[in-house]
Amino acid sequence: GNSVTQMEGPVTLSEEAFLTINCTYTATGYPSLFWYVQYPGEGLQLLLKATKADDKGSNKGFEATYRKETTSFHLEKGSVQVSDSAVYFCASGGSYIPTFGRGTSLIVHP
Amino acid sequence: DSGVTQTPKHLITATGQRVTLRCSPRSGDLSVYWYQQSLDQGLQFLIQYYNGEERAKGNILERFSAQQFPDLHSELNLSSLELGDSALYFCASSVVSGAVYNEQFFGPGTRLTVL
Repeated sequence: GNSVTQMEGPVTLSEEAFLTINCTYTATGYPSLFWYVQYPGEGLQLLLKATKADDKGSNKGFEATYRKETTSFHLEKGSVQVSDSAVYFCASGGSYIPTFGRGTSLIVHP
Repeated sequence: DSGVTQTPKHLITATGQRVTLRCSPRSGDLSVYWYQQSLDQGLQFLIQYYNGEERAKGNILERFSAQQFPDLHSELNLSSLELGDSALYFCASSVVSGAVYNEQFFGPGTRLTVL
């Protein structure tokens, strides 16, 4: 079956540091890939998505590129802010049963 | 605000009891998904409905059931509750039945505490 593996957290960074959260997937075919963010006390919300190989999703300074050859969709941001502190989920679509990673907690200190 | 509403926000009950969680999808979305989020299991997909019909089942226990009504709202019924059922329960909706090319919009969740 499909699966999504993302790096375990928490990831702790200082403000303005560079962020990478790794995500790899296994799937039949070429699913759409998503990053969701969950702020404390809230539900998940879509951060960005990519629907085919080599697509780059971007939003709010975050980026992720759909890499078919490495089955990866790593999340990056050049300069994190305290307000980016949240839990980030990588997910794959392409079937009726969506597959989510376990989530990576990001803590950004001033 | 995602446009997905869930009630109640918090629910505290005892073991062996039965509860009903309610979800209203975004206007125009035909598909509803239910998830359970706990610290040890992460985000677990439970079940999906599309336009009133069950479309996919995930890790849903037999003690749990769900339905989607003609007005598209959905209810998740949890019975014979156990301590381990304490979790956040999320509802999400999307435009079409599959996750292909379409993101899901999540509600704020219902926090269930079983004592």
